[in-house]
Amino acid sequence: EADIYQTPRYLVIGTGKKITLECSQTMGHDKMYWYQQDPGMELHLIHYSYGVNSTEKGDLSSESTVSRIRTEHFPLTLESARPSHTSQYLCASSGLSGNTIYFGEGSWLTVV
Amino acid sequence: SQQGEEDPQALSIQEGENATMNCSYKTSINNLQWYRQNSGRGLVHLILIRSNEREKHSGRLRVTLDTSKKSSSLLITASRAADTASYFCATVSGTYKYIFGTGTRLKVLA
Repeated sequence: EADIYQTPRYLVIGTGKKITLECSQTMGHDKMYWYQQDPGMELHLIHYSYGVNSTEKGDLSSESTVSRIRTEHFPLTLESARPSHTSQYLCASSGLSGNTIYFGEGSWLTVV
Repeated sequence: SQQGEEDPQALSIQEGENATMNCSYKTSINNLQWYRQNSGRGLVHLILIRSNEREKHSGRLRVTLDTSKKSSSLLITASRAADTASYFCATVSGTYKYIFGTGTRLKVLA
């Protein structure tokens, strides 16, 4: 079992609201990732971090932002949600370079 | 664009049959990994094959890697209804970003 946790699992919010998706891991992993995935579709890397105070944008442009103040915590924030942000957001972490990546259960976001 | 393309996009087989899915990628890799995703859940690691390996087994899973063709295949033998899921390949490059393929949706009929 992977020790990586995401909250909330499901969220419905109104357009224009600010939302933070939480992600925490207890494995001491340096590397953390956020992927966006529409139902039945491929995963798109939107943010990643190689350690504390390190964040990079991924391959898919996203209006979200991330922070990495502590090793175990990698929250994702949308300042003003729009219906186009409706999707599943998957947080993940990895330890030794190139080894297994562990995923959380995902956060399903619906913006109405 | 995504690193990996998977084929087929969807596969439906009878319980007990073998399932084969393929992954092609574009750039040099350190290793290639296969993951499984049950509907509405996160991904779970199945098997990793390094760039200097050609074949690897784990239980009912067999993975091959052909770096000259930049392709990999995942074989699930004697499939079960519980194997119904989406399967993704992921490549890891020197920047240690995990890039996932488009996925194969497998349905095993009881």
